[in-house]
Parts: sequence; structure tokens; C-alpha cells
Amino acid sequence: DTAVSQTPKYLVTQMGNDKSIKCEQNLGHDTMYWYKQDSKKFLKIMFSYNNKELIINETVPNRFSPKSPDKAHLNLHINSLELGDSAVYFCASSQVTSPYNEQFFGPGTRLTVL
Amino acid sequence: GENVEQHPSTLSVQEGDSAVIKCTYSDSASNYFPWYKQELGKGPQLIIDIRSNVGEKKDQRIAVTLNKTAKHFSLHITETQPEDSAVYFCAASRGGSYIPTFGRGTSLIVHP
Repeated sequence: DTAVSQTPKYLVTQMGNDKSIKCEQNLGHDTMYWYKQDSKKFLKIMFSYNNKELIINETVPNRFSPKSPDKAHLNLHINSLELGDSAVYFCASSQVTSPYNEQFFGPGTRLTVL
Repeated sequence: GENVEQHPSTLSVQEGDSAVIKCTYSDSASNYFPWYKQELGKGPQLIIDIRSNVGEKKDQRIAVTLNKTAKHFSLHITETQPEDSAVYFCAASRGGSYIPTFGRGTSLIVHP
């Protein structure tokens, strides 16, 4: 059983388009996240979300917006895609009420903007 | 906020050798130090963690050490195998609702 799943695995699109990446977790966790991994493998937190609070990394452009239809899903919408948005995007989840907030990552979505 | 430095960025070893990856952190309140392994085409997965009330922890061929005074912690892999080849990330956190801060990753290559 997949704990954190993402679709699609690969996404190739033109500059200026709008796209979405879907994420689902079946762990019953209370918090979900989006991370961006650049070509140098650096993992950067973009958003943290539970049903009470959305925390946004202030360096993330407002073209990126998370949308959560329910506790098990956190989708990432990206408007007006730019070349620099090309990266691998990881969804993750955790239970923040646990002592150590272990992150469980999805398999990633490789976004290529042409 | 927390700042985590990780070295080296790339580590190349022969099968059977040991590999050591080192990290330093800045926030003295951090008390949880997980290590993640990211295989090619996959997401990072937790392989071992250490908490501030422990100085060393071992799980088969991997071990982690923590020196809270010096604010550094290390991952040791003994008898490396080709399947150990991956990117390894250290992280530090205060625990609870705090999101871990990740190091920049170490690409470990184990040559057969």
C-alpha cells in the first residue's frame, strides 16, 4: 500500500501554462507539505498545511498555491509556469502531534517547463 | 532559524569500505536528527534517527553519532554495498510541530 502518492510522475509543459500536481496520503496524518528539489538536490520547503493553518515559505512566488479538499489530499497549483519552475516536487506528510514530526515523502513529480 | 551544513557533497568509495557523512547545526534547541536516503527516481526515506538524549545509535551497517556540545552529528555506513549508492540527507529539528531543516545532501557512490 502506497503511503504518500503523487500524480503525475512526469509533467512536461510550455512556459505560461497552468498545471496541477495531486497528492494523497493514507497514513491518517494531520499535516501535509510540498517541497521543491532543484537540480543540485537541495530540498526546499514550500508549504506546510493542516486543517488549521497554512504556512508559506515567503520565498515561494504567489503563482504557486496549495489546495486541500480534505485531510488526505494536498494539491499544488502552479500558474503562468516559468523555466525556473523546472524541478522535482515532493509531497510529504507527518503527524505533528507525534514527538518528532517524521516526514513521509511521496515519489516525486518531475516538472519540465519548455 | 536552524541552519544545517552537510559535507561532503559527493563521496565515492569502493565496495566494502566505510563511508562517513558529517553535519553541523546551529540551533541549540534542536533535539531530533533524522537521516534520509533518496534512491534514484524516488522520494527521500527515513533510514535512521537520533535524539538528543542519545550519543550514538546503530542499526546493522549504519550508525549515527551526535555531539550536542559541538552541534554536529554524523552518519557512518560500514561494509558499503552498491545498493547503498544514493543521496543522503541529514536534518535537524526541535521536534513537535517544527519542520526539519535539511542539509544539502551527499551523493554516495559505491563502486563494485
